[in-house]
Amino acid sequence: LAKTTQPISMDSYEGQEVNITCSHNNIATNDYITWYQQFPSQGPRFIIQGYKTKVTNEVASLFIPADRKSSTLSLPRVSLSDTAVYYCLVESGGTGFQKLVFGTGTRLLVSP
Amino acid sequence: EAGVTQSPTHLIKTRGQQATLRCSPISGHTSVYWYQQALGLGLQFLLWYDEGEERNRGNFPPRFSGRQFPNYSSELNVNALELEDSALYLCASSLTEGPDTQYFGPGTRLTVL
Repeated sequence: LAKTTQPISMDSYEGQEVNITCSHNNIATNDYITWYQQFPSQGPRFIIQGYKTKVTNEVASLFIPADRKSSTLSLPRVSLSDTAVYYCLVESGGTGFQKLVFGTGTRLLVSP
Repeated sequence: EAGVTQSPTHLIKTRGQQATLRCSPISGHTSVYWYQQALGLGLQFLLWYDEGEERNRGNFPPRFSGRQFPNYSSELNVNALELEDSALYLCASSLTEGPDTQYFGPGTRLTVL
């Protein structure tokens, strides 16, 4: 069971790039890394998912080194509306039993 | 396409009572997941259902139980409510049991007095 570790909080300013790193030392071969964003009193929203190297979509990039023991979510040019909690999730791929363990989350505060 | 729906939005109970929470997944999704999120804390995995079967459960006592119906909707039951059960209960669904995206509902806020 892969346990994740993230910084508890981060501060940034509008227009800056924000990088949030997640550590998952016990990641298994079949595991994927998924990041979610959560606003207060709402369910988490999928941001990006990857297995290795780099993945980019319209809102973020995900960097995963070769050993896959960590991953970095990169948010380009953040705005005030990016203030939220960001969760890193290591999810088991393939068939069989899974346990879905969200990390503690990183509380990002974007200031003007 | 309709998203994951949950009912009720809010639920107030007293200690010792039972609570029933409901979740309807996105059409075509067969997996349903339940999470508990206490105020200010992270998500704790509760239960996972797929094709009507309980596939796994988190570290919660047996008074937390549920089921999945033939139409893939799901119900979470919490018996003998305790004050610390007060939390936001989130339901998510996904298309397969693989590493597919989870789509979350808005949650049910349970308050135990």
